[in-house]
Amino acid sequence: AQKITQTQPGMFVQEKEAVTLDCTYDTSDPSYGLFWYKQPSSGEMIFLIYQGSYDQQNATEGRYSLNFQKARKSANLVISASQLGDSAMYFCAMREGMDSSYKLIFGSGTRLLVRP
Amino acid sequence: AAGVIQSPRHLIKEKRETATLKCYPIPRHDTVYWYQQGPGQDPQFLISFYEKMQSDKGSIPDRFSAQQFSDYHSELNMSSLELGDSALYFCASSSTDSNQPQHFGDGTRLSIL
Repeated sequence: AQKITQTQPGMFVQEKEAVTLDCTYDTSDPSYGLFWYKQPSSGEMIFLIYQGSYDQQNATEGRYSLNFQKARKSANLVISASQLGDSAMYFCAMREGMDSSYKLIFGSGTRLLVRP
Repeated sequence: AAGVIQSPRHLIKEKRETATLKCYPIPRHDTVYWYQQGPGQDPQFLISFYEKMQSDKGSIPDRFSAQQFSDYHSELNMSSLELGDSALYFCASSSTDSNQPQHFGDGTRLSIL
């Protein structure tokens, strides 16, 4: 069964606008972590934001925020004030259990293109 | 801040050859992970090490092996290379703090001719 689902293969957004990238997950473990990574065309994998399953508040990191809806098992990434440099592939990933030595399971990714 | 260092950045091999990829984790990180990302795919977990012991194993072919050394660096050894092994290989590291993410290196792009 798919653990992480990203239903948007590609998205466009106008520069300076906000964009939401969708991510739903499936797990029976009550303890888990959700991550978003950015992969530019150069290939590196850049950590953006983390949400723990027990966190009461939605995570925020600068222009990135995570819309965490636990009952719906969704963890959407919101990028505010999009910049041209935000054009990249974005992966949602999950770590089952709270032990940080556990592997990450990735979604299929969303390619974001920011238009000037 | 120090990041995960991977070498080489690019590697070209022929079928049936062997390859060794190296990874130097962030200082004081005790867990190292290896992922394989095929063209147009998401990263797939291969294997991980915690305090130099294998901690988890994913879809790693029997032709591949890995280890973590006393200085915490790790090596992924790949033998009898096949065309399908062409991919971007990432190493990541993390500390045992459960709120900390895995930090990825820039990857080694392996091309099999």
